[in-house]
Amino acid sequence: GAGVSQSPRYKVAKRGQDVALRCDPISGHVSLFWYQQALGQGPEFLTYFQNEAQLDKSGLPSDRFFAERPEGSVSTLKIQRTQQEDSAVYLCASSADTTQRGYTFGSGTRLTVV
Amino acid sequence: DQQVKQNSPSLSVQEGRISILNCDYTNSMFDYFLWYKKYPAEGPTFLISISSIKDKNEDGRFTVFLNKSAKHLSLHIVPSQPGDSAVYFCAARTLSNSGYALNFGKGTSLLVTP
Repeated sequence: GAGVSQSPRYKVAKRGQDVALRCDPISGHVSLFWYQQALGQGPEFLTYFQNEAQLDKSGLPSDRFFAERPEGSVSTLKIQRTQQEDSAVYLCASSADTTQRGYTFGSGTRLTVV
Repeated sequence: DQQVKQNSPSLSVQEGRISILNCDYTNSMFDYFLWYKKYPAEGPTFLISISSIKDKNEDGRFTVFLNKSAKHLSLHIVPSQPGDSAVYFCAARTLSNSGYALNFGKGTSLLVTP
């Protein structure tokens, strides 16, 4: 597609529920990133993929968070046993390479845990 | 600890005047700095960037200035237009073997009034 597509746009989960957030990067983009943006904050790095390889997951806040990109294209961020502090906008971004023009973000998934 | 700081949460400027958005950072290993613009319910979009080896980069109405000794950068928008009203995020990059991640500030909300 023309841009980075994320689904769903909005997700309400009951505390303790598992959720899966999907990211379709720009076709052919090698690099894929997940960021978490809490209310009133800037995006914070979660994890980075180069093709199917997860090269950096240092930003994942706990072992309840898991990301995958099995075929080097679509990626899924899974959060197990959601908690209220997981409420945030989850942003996915992709880039063709180490470009100086930054990377392209999707519109995000707003997760609300009640 | 916040490595990229935007100390002004909001800024209001009259149309046609100059907007100056400021950003400070603490990590001297940052090699690249970027500004992103974000409208409500959309992902951040890349605006302009600057390498750490330069002190100025200009793109149309947007100019970014970098003062490495002060660990400070600023974004100038001139002339400001109502369509520039958005949240502006300053971001800084470090390059590692696993690719790169961006460290974002908390953002400055710019309002350009007619």
